[in-house]
Amino acid sequence: DGGITQSPKYLFRKEGQNVTLSCEQNLNHDAMYWYRQDPGQGLRLIYYSQIVNDFQKGDIAEGYSVSREKKESFPLTVTSAQKNPTAFYLCASSIVPQSYGYTFGSGTRLTVV
Amino acid sequence: AQTVTQSQPEMSVQEAETVTLSCTYDTSESDYYLFWYKQPPSRQMILVIRQEAYKQQNATENRFSVNFQKAAKSFSLKISDSQLGDAAMYFCAYRMNYGGSQGNLIFGKGTKLSVKP
Repeated sequence: DGGITQSPKYLFRKEGQNVTLSCEQNLNHDAMYWYRQDPGQGLRLIYYSQIVNDFQKGDIAEGYSVSREKKESFPLTVTSAQKNPTAFYLCASSIVPQSYGYTFGSGTRLTVV
Repeated sequence: AQTVTQSQPEMSVQEAETVTLSCTYDTSESDYYLFWYKQPPSRQMILVIRQEAYKQQNATENRFSVNFQKAAKSFSLKISDSQLGDAAMYFCAYRMNYGGSQGNLIFGKGTKLSVKP
């Protein structure tokens, strides 16, 4: 079955460390997205990519980095520059144009300890 | 800039009854798409229903239907015969019919729906 896989489901990080969240899709979607979700804040866009080897900053890109070397993969690195990284992170993908909405992964809960 | 507003942070409904979640959006476009997503406690986002702005007919998916009022820029979700499994966060989303980043979805902040047995 086609879908999006995010791993790990839970992640703990010590302050000052970088950590990478994985997102893989086998839907043959061109576009991929990373969102951060905090209580009461809804979904906030971190980065998105509409084609391999190209990506754009979203609304809250500071302290994050991404790569898109393969169509199927869009990993997100949370760097030590991110002041408040504890959150729930969602990855999504879509065809382009995005007329049918997004397909989401099941998310990664990142906790800084 | 386009915005999506969900004015009800929380709602509650009795099992088997009907509930309506509100969504309004701000746009100067005439061609766009609207979506409702459900996020249950598992936090997996699931597409509930989709509406194309140029279609007059309101979309329906089983117990879920929308009331799309284009002139009022309103897109409410009606859940009939509510079930315990309907308890979730519900997000409204809007998309302009453009290519590239202009076609990205814009989400509201969500409405938390509780279902009482």
